Amino acid sequence: DGGITQSPKYLFRKEGQNVTLSCEQNLNHDAMYWYRQDPGQGLRLIYYSQIVNDFQKGDIAEGYSVSREKKESFPLTVTSAQKNPTAFYLCASSDRFGNNAEAFFGQGTRLTVV
Amino acid sequence: DAKTTQPPSMDCAEGRAANLPCNHSTISGNEYVYWYRQIHSQGPQYIIHGLKNNETNEMASLIITEDRKSSTLILPHATLRDTAVYYCIVRATGTASKLTFGTGTRLQVTL
Repeated sequence: DGGITQSPKYLFRKEGQNVTLSCEQNLNHDAMYWYRQDPGQGLRLIYYSQIVNDFQKGDIAEGYSVSREKKESFPLTVTSAQKNPTAFYLCASSDRFGNNAEAFFGQGTRLTVV
Repeated sequence: DAKTTQPPSMDCAEGRAANLPCNHSTISGNEYVYWYRQIHSQGPQYIIHGLKNNETNEMASLIITEDRKSSTLILPHATLRDTAVYYCIVRATGTASKLTFGTGTRLQVTL
C-alpha cells in the first residue's frame, strides 16, 4: 500500500533522554513535514524538508533535530533540550510543486516523557 | 503562505448541511485553498482544494468568493462521523513552501 508510516504509535521515555521518531513514505514525495499537536490545539510546524539533504526550521524547532538522507525517510529527534516534549507528533508528505499538492499524514506518534 | 481565520467551533444537526467558513483576505494569486479534517487522535485527512472556481467531490463542496478572500466548505448531509476539527489553509503552488495549519473549526454534529 502507498502511504506514510509513523512508528511507534506510542512512545515512553525518561526525562533527559533523546528519542527519535520514525517517518517513512513510499509516495515518491519530495516534501516532508513534522508537526507537534498539544491537547485541544492545532498543528504547529517543527521542521520541513523540500528535498533530500535539505531542511528548514518551522515555527517551533528549538529542542528538535531532523535529517533527510533519503527521500523516503525524515526522522525527528526530540532532544533533552526540548523543555516540554510530551505531545502528539505528526509527519506528512506532499509533492513539492504542482497544483495538486495535498499533504498525506501518518497516524501520529504519541510521546510521553516521564 | 497567507494566514487564515476560522471560527473555533460550530454545531450542526445530523442530516443538515454544515457550512464552514474561512477567511483568507491576504491570499495571493498563486495560492490555493485547501481543506483538511482531523478526527480525534488521528492524522489529518485531505478533503478538497481549489483556486478560484467552486469545486465538488464525493466528500464536500468548496465555494470560493469571487475576490478569493473567503471560502466555505459545505458538507451537504452531515453525519455523526463528520464530527472533527476542520482546517482551512492556503498554499502557493509553483514554489516550494511550508505547510502551515491554524487552529481550525471544531464541528460537532448532533442528533
